[in-house]
Amino acid sequence: DAMVIQNPRYQVTQFGKPVTLSCSQTLNHNVMYWYQQKSSQAPKLLFHYYDKDFNNEADTPDNFQSRRPNTSFCFLDIRSPGLGDAAMYLCATNKPGGQETQYFGPGTRLLVL
Amino acid sequence: GESVGLHLPTLSVQEGDNSIINCAYSNSASDYFIWYKQESGKGPQFIIDIRSNMDKRQGQRVTVLLNKTVKHLSLQIAATQPGDSAVYFCAETFNDYKLSFGAGTTVTVRA
Repeated sequence: DAMVIQNPRYQVTQFGKPVTLSCSQTLNHNVMYWYQQKSSQAPKLLFHYYDKDFNNEADTPDNFQSRRPNTSFCFLDIRSPGLGDAAMYLCATNKPGGQETQYFGPGTRLLVL
Repeated sequence: GESVGLHLPTLSVQEGDNSIINCAYSNSASDYFIWYKQESGKGPQFIIDIRSNMDKRQGQRVTVLLNKTVKHLSLQIAATQPGDSAVYFCAETFNDYKLSFGAGTTVTVRA
């Protein structure tokens, strides 16, 4: 029944070692978002895909990249994780235009050693 | 428990009492507003939403009020239960597109 699925739920990586987080959805929504959330703060939008179009937020570091091979899947790549990248990473989806609200996945907790 | 129009980062409420959580939004063009509940270690969970052509909407034990004149949104939880303990975020958007989140309110329910 899960609509937005994130894997893994917990990820441990080493400083500077590339890591990929994945998100999949069964809602057939055309927009997929990636957020970073640090403790006690609101989610911060990193970027999103509107269909195949990638939209980066102005303050998202170059270290963060994303891929969307098809409608259902979206990946977050962190090329060289730093200690400051330890956070919860949330994936969300929606269908703009009054049709569907934005639904979030359970998140992936990233730990950088 | 309530914060009387002001956003407060924390709210402590007695079990069984009503809770009111407030949020000020920034964009007068926003036309869609959502309340999310986030429990520790989980993703935000949709609670209730409201469009700008309404000023009140009710769900199961929850009510959202929208005051566009002062750009204020509130979430009322009736008969607060221990399972309502969480961080609550309001979010605003224009045309259901990118969300802009408010600062969260941590609700703690006292037994």
